[in-house]
Amino acid sequence: GENVEQHPSTLSVQEGDSAVIKCTYSDSASNYFPWYKQELGKGPQLIIDIRSNVGEKKDQRIAVTLNKTAKHFSLHITETQPEDSAVYFCAVESPSNYQLIWGAGTKLIIKP
Amino acid sequence: DAMVIQNPRYQVTQFGKPVTLSCSQTLNHNVMYWYQQKSSQAPKLLFHYYDKDFNNEADTPDNFQSRRPNTSFCFLDIRSPGLGDAAMYLCATSRDKGVNTEAFFGQGTRLTVV
Repeated sequence: GENVEQHPSTLSVQEGDSAVIKCTYSDSASNYFPWYKQELGKGPQLIIDIRSNVGEKKDQRIAVTLNKTAKHFSLHITETQPEDSAVYFCAVESPSNYQLIWGAGTKLIIKP
Repeated sequence: DAMVIQNPRYQVTQFGKPVTLSCSQTLNHNVMYWYQQKSSQAPKLLFHYYDKDFNNEADTPDNFQSRRPNTSFCFLDIRSPGLGDAAMYLCATSRDKGVNTEAFFGQGTRLTVV
């Protein structure tokens, strides 16, 4: 079955700097890759997603890149702000049953 | 406006006493999911409904049951909660499976077992 690995588990960056979180997956048939942000005590919120027919997608300060050959995708946050502090999860949709397979999460800390 | 609403936000129950968590959606989505999330971990899928079709994950304990009386509502029943069932329970919806699979989550219900 699909296996998703996410790194790093914790990332601390200075406010204004960029943050990058990476995920790898195992099933080359996977086609849908969402990223979720989860603030303390709240449910996960979809912040950006990408399908396998594109290599990059941007939404203001957030971007996702996908390398299908290498089977990895990354979340890029530029000009980080205090409100970006949260846990970020990558996920991969299983091509066999369409369920989301989740990464272990990255705790992003923005230092003032 | 909240599109996936979970009630209550916080629930305290006694060991072994049945408890029901509720979820409602205003999105008219076909699929509704229940996840369990323990501290510092990724959400773990318990089961989902595709319309009226119930799909249980293989490793979901029998202690957990679900009902979906109509498109808008879905319930999670824990028949005999144990201390290990203390967690955040998340409800999510998606329009479909395979395509339009963006999942929308509720704010979760934090369950405490005493």
